[in-house]
Amino acid sequence: GENVEQHPSTLSVQEGDSAVIKCTYSDSASNYFPWYKQELGKRPQLIIDIRSNVGEKKDQRIAVTLNKTAKHFSLHITETQPEDSAVYFCAASATGGYNKLIFGAGTRLAVHP
Amino acid sequence: NAGVTQTPKFRILKIGQSMTLQCAQDMNHNYMYWYRQDPGMGLKLIYYSVGAGITDKGEVPNGYNVSRSTTEDFPLRLELAAPSQTSVYFCASSLGRGGTEAFFGQGTRLTVV
Repeated sequence: GENVEQHPSTLSVQEGDSAVIKCTYSDSASNYFPWYKQELGKRPQLIIDIRSNVGEKKDQRIAVTLNKTAKHFSLHITETQPEDSAVYFCAASATGGYNKLIFGAGTRLAVHP
Repeated sequence: NAGVTQTPKFRILKIGQSMTLQCAQDMNHNYMYWYRQDPGMGLKLIYYSVGAGITDKGEVPNGYNVSRSTTEDFPLRLELAAPSQTSVYFCASSLGRGGTEAFFGQGTRLTVV
C-alpha cells in the first residue's frame, strides 16, 4: 500500500523567511497530492493540492511542486508570517479504484516574529 | 450546511468498554474516512468507505469496526477499549474519484483509562 514520508518533522523560521516541506510517496499509482494545515486544537484544512498532470501550482504565498519520476512533492511557503505557524500534512491518493487518502507524519512549523 | 459532524466531542472510557463514534455529513459525499491522531503525531487511516455498503481497512484497523448503511453516516465502533486507543479521532468525507478535497469533522477526543 501507499506510504508517505514527510520531512522535516519540525521547522523553525524567522518571519519573512521561506519554508520548504518535502514528501515522498511509494505508490506509483498515486496521482493526487493535497496539503493540509492544522492549527492547534483544530481540524485539518486543505490549503493547496496538485494532480500528477501538473508540475507546479501556486496560490499567493504558497506553492507546491511535484516530481513524478522521483516520487516526491514539496510545499513552499514564502514571506512567512506568524499565522503560518501550524502543523502541515502532505497526503497522497490514487484516483482509480478505492481512493485511500494516506497522510505523512506532519511538520510542525514555527514562525518567529 | 453543517459539513461533517462528529459526536461526541469528548469521551472517557474504561478499559474493556465499548462505544460508537458517530459521523454524519450532509454534502452527499461518496467517500468517508476515519483517522486517528495520537498526540504530536500524524493522521493514520483506520477505515474508509467509497459508498453505502462498501468499506475497507486502512493502515490501523485492529480494534475497530465500521458500517456504512447510508451515504450520510459512517459510525466507528470500538470494541473492548484499550489504553492504546487513546487518541483524537477525525472523520472526513470527500466527493469521490478524481482527487477531491477531504473535509474533516471537529474530532472526538477519546481517553481510555
